[in-house]
Amino acid sequence: DAGVTQSPTHLIKTRGQHVTLRCSPISGHKSVSWYQQVLGQGPQFIFQYYEKEERGRGNFPDRFSARQFPNYSSELNVNALLLGDSALYLCASRTYSGNTEAFFGQGTRLTVV
Amino acid sequence: AQTVTQSQPEMSVQEAETVTLSCTYDTSENNYYLFWYKQPPSRQMILVIRQEAYKQQNATENRFSVNFQKAAKSFSLKISDSQLGDTAMYFCAFMKDGQNFVFGPGTRLSVLP
Repeated sequence: DAGVTQSPTHLIKTRGQHVTLRCSPISGHKSVSWYQQVLGQGPQFIFQYYEKEERGRGNFPDRFSARQFPNYSSELNVNALLLGDSALYLCASRTYSGNTEAFFGQGTRLTVV
Repeated sequence: AQTVTQSQPEMSVQEAETVTLSCTYDTSENNYYLFWYKQPPSRQMILVIRQEAYKQQNATENRFSVNFQKAAKSFSLKISDSQLGDTAMYFCAFMKDGQNFVFGPGTRLSVLP
C-alpha cells in the first residue's frame, strides 16, 4: 500500500511569491494535518482537515491557507513568501480526526531566497 | 497550552549499549497521549512508541521502552542494544484527544560503531 505522498520533494521560491504544496493521504484516511518544521526545531502544527472541513488551526498568519478535496488529498498554500517560511513541510494522515495513530509523509523542503 | 521540553540537544551511544532520552511536558489535562517519533535523514517521521496517560504500565516495543511518570510529567525513552540504524533525530510529542501533535525540539542521537 502506498504511504503518505507529498509533492514536490524540494522547491526554491523567491520572496513574495506564492507556493502550493500537495499531500495525498493513505487510502481510506480522511484526515490530513500539516506541520512546519524549521531547521533544528520540532514540527509546528499548521492545519488539520477532516472530511473537507478545517478542524484545527495553529498559530500561523493568514498567508497560510489549506483545503481538502473530495478524494481527501490536500493542498497547503502560502502567499507572499518570507525568508522565514523556509522549512520542511510535513503532512500527516489519519483515518479520522480523533485517531491518535498518524502516518507522516517525507515532507516538502521549501527554500525561500 | 501544552509544551514539550527535551533538554538534551545531542547524545551519542556506542553500538550495543543502552541510552535514555529525556522528555518533560506541561499540561493541565488528565487524559492525553505521549509519543516518541524518530526522524532519520530521509525526513519521514516514524512512530517509535506510544503511551496512553490513563495506563500506568510503561509501553514497550522490542528494544524501545518508556519510563512514564505522570505526576512528574516526565516521559523518557530507553533504547537498549543500540544499533547504527537508530541514528536519527528523536522527537517527544504530546496529543490530547486526537487533536494535533505538540512536539519537543528534538534530540539528535548518534550511535557510534
